[in-house]
Amino acid sequence: LAKTTQPISMDSYEGQEVNITCSHNNIATNDYITWYQQFPSQGPRFIIQGYKTKVTNEVASLFIPADRKSSTLSLPRVSLSDTAVYYCLVGDTDLNTGGFKTIFGAGTRLFVKA
Amino acid sequence: EAQVTQNPRYLITVTGKKLTVTCSQNMNHEYMSWYRQDPGLGLRQIYYSMNVEVTDKGDVPEGYKVSRKEKRNFPLILESPSPNQTSLYFCASRRQYQETQYFGPGTRLLVL
Repeated sequence: LAKTTQPISMDSYEGQEVNITCSHNNIATNDYITWYQQFPSQGPRFIIQGYKTKVTNEVASLFIPADRKSSTLSLPRVSLSDTAVYYCLVGDTDLNTGGFKTIFGAGTRLFVKA
Repeated sequence: EAQVTQNPRYLITVTGKKLTVTCSQNMNHEYMSWYRQDPGLGLRQIYYSMNVEVTDKGDVPEGYKVSRKEKRNFPLILESPSPNQTSLYFCASRRQYQETQYFGPGTRLLVL
């Protein structure tokens, strides 16, 4: 299971683009990169997932360089409601046991100001 | 509507009184998992199940039990709750070959 490193917190203003980078130096060949969003007292919610290059959906973009040792979640024109914790996850299969272990890091706390 | 449900949403109990938190999903997912979330510690996996009758420990299994007798249900059992199990608990599910997890709304437990 690849360990991930993210900034602990970030501040932004409404209308700005926010980029959150996640480092995952030990990513395995078949690992996907998944980002979740969590509001206080709610379960994490899937945002986006990718394997390489760029993925875009209606809420975010995910940029993954060729070496896949990092990834960047991009949130265009954030609003106050985007204030949340964002988690980057890499893979979730224990290659030794085939089990389904998931490790959430501490995440990045994004605070959007008016 | 595709969803993961948990019951109860809030629970106050006393030390040593056995309790069960239920989790149910209607998406026919193979994988289900329980997490606890504590301030400053993030989400930590308690137990997971890859299919019916197949369960395994996560990172913090001590003091918890689970069972998977049916595909849709994955109850979390605290045989003898202690105050250090006061936490916010989440159940999640996903398909076998997909990595996207769907989380329940959470159960806030207070053990006195």
